Amino acid sequence: AQSVTQLGSHVSVSEGALVLLRCNYSSSVPPYLFWYVQYPNQGLQLLLKYTSAATLVKGINGFEAEFKKSETSFHLTKPSAHMSDAAEYFCAIMNTGFQKLVFGTGTRLLVSP
Amino acid sequence: DAGVIQSPRHEVTEMGQEVTLRCKPISGHDYLFWYRQTMMRGLELLIYFNNNVPIDDSGMPEDRFSAKMPNASFSTLKIQPSEPRDSAVYFCASSLTAAEAFFGQGTRLTVV
Repeated sequence: AQSVTQLGSHVSVSEGALVLLRCNYSSSVPPYLFWYVQYPNQGLQLLLKYTSAATLVKGINGFEAEFKKSETSFHLTKPSAHMSDAAEYFCAIMNTGFQKLVFGTGTRLLVSP
Repeated sequence: DAGVIQSPRHEVTEMGQEVTLRCKPISGHDYLFWYRQTMMRGLELLIYFNNNVPIDDSGMPEDRFSAKMPNASFSTLKIQPSEPRDSAVYFCASSLTAAEAFFGQGTRLTVV
């Protein structure tokens, strides 16, 4: 079965610092991978997705992620954190052929002034 | 498009009562998903539909839960009878084939 593991339930950064949120996947077939963001009392919003095209994927709000098959990773980065980036971030994998998303446990990003 | 619309946004009910959550997917999307989010278990897929047909309901916790999609623009998730452990945020999402899922804002259910 396909799955994703997010390392770190909480990540704290200072405003302007690099953001790195980690996600490793497990899949026996080439996966589709996603990062979603959830702001308080909101639904999930897609940040970016990897669907076997370019390995470096750029998303909204300055985020990007790189698919590394050798490391089975799909880490999310942003060069400079902003206060508005504080939210919970979910990595997800799509069960190809079944069209359902399986989510990781989430990482809460805290941004301090 | 207004996005995925869920109602109600908040629901407080007493244990033993029937609860019905509603979802209107984005027009033209042929997949509809129901998720449950709790602190303990995170985001869990309960059931999903393709072209109004339930495809996988293996995530439905027990027989007290049921979901229907009578047409392409409406789905319900029903809990009968409700229990305190059903308290959670329930999300509906819709998508096109192999595209991203669009989530509604969720229904926060509290069973007392």
